[in-house]
Amino acid sequence: EAGVAQSPRYKIIEKRQSVAFWCNPISGHATLYWYQQILGQGPKLLIQFQNNGVVDDSQLPKDRFSAERLKGVDSTLKIQPAKLEDSAVYLCASSLALIRNTEAFFGQGTRLTVV
Amino acid sequence: GQQVMQIPQYQHVQEGEDFTTYCNSSTTLSNIQWYKQRPGGHPVFLIQLVKSGEVKKQKRLTFQFGEAKKNSSLHITATQTTDVGTYFCAGRDYKLSFGAGTTVTVRA
Repeated sequence: EAGVAQSPRYKIIEKRQSVAFWCNPISGHATLYWYQQILGQGPKLLIQFQNNGVVDDSQLPKDRFSAERLKGVDSTLKIQPAKLEDSAVYLCASSLALIRNTEAFFGQGTRLTVV
Repeated sequence: GQQVMQIPQYQHVQEGEDFTTYCNSSTTLSNIQWYKQRPGGHPVFLIQLVKSGEVKKQKRLTFQFGEAKKNSSLHITATQTTDVGTYFCAGRDYKLSFGAGTTVTVRA
């Protein structure tokens, strides 16, 4: 079974620039998550999709972050404009359904450095 | 909103010793999950606890869910160097929220 695919693996940008991350979840997984993990901290949920609908985006800084999951499969997360404090690893995860007793499978993550 | 807290933040253990890490939620959870993240890696699912008071074991790891479904613990016996990493609990209601993790280092 193929895992969660993310790209790019690494990205370095200057502050005020824009950046986009891509995630392809495991086939058949209805729930998709984007997490931000700052060095030394736990993953912080940015947004959670169920198919192509948003379940929770309460911690997404909507003035600069946006995410979409067209057709309920792939997803993109965008930051515009980036700030220094956005430097982190962005993790995408997926799970079989919103049914609560399902584990999340994580991708390798995208390490973003804002300079 | 739901908040999940873990203690201790760091655990430095002598090889062969036991230790416990604790997880507390501000709200009652439908289930709690534990993940392990190796240095430079991504979180990997270990186990899920669903029932009040549930105890599960995986070799040297023992996981427990509190009676009120608001706290959990992970106990590791006879720590080995392969146990190095950060252990996260994640509480699930309609969303999956992670604690800050316990980072474990082992001295031989």
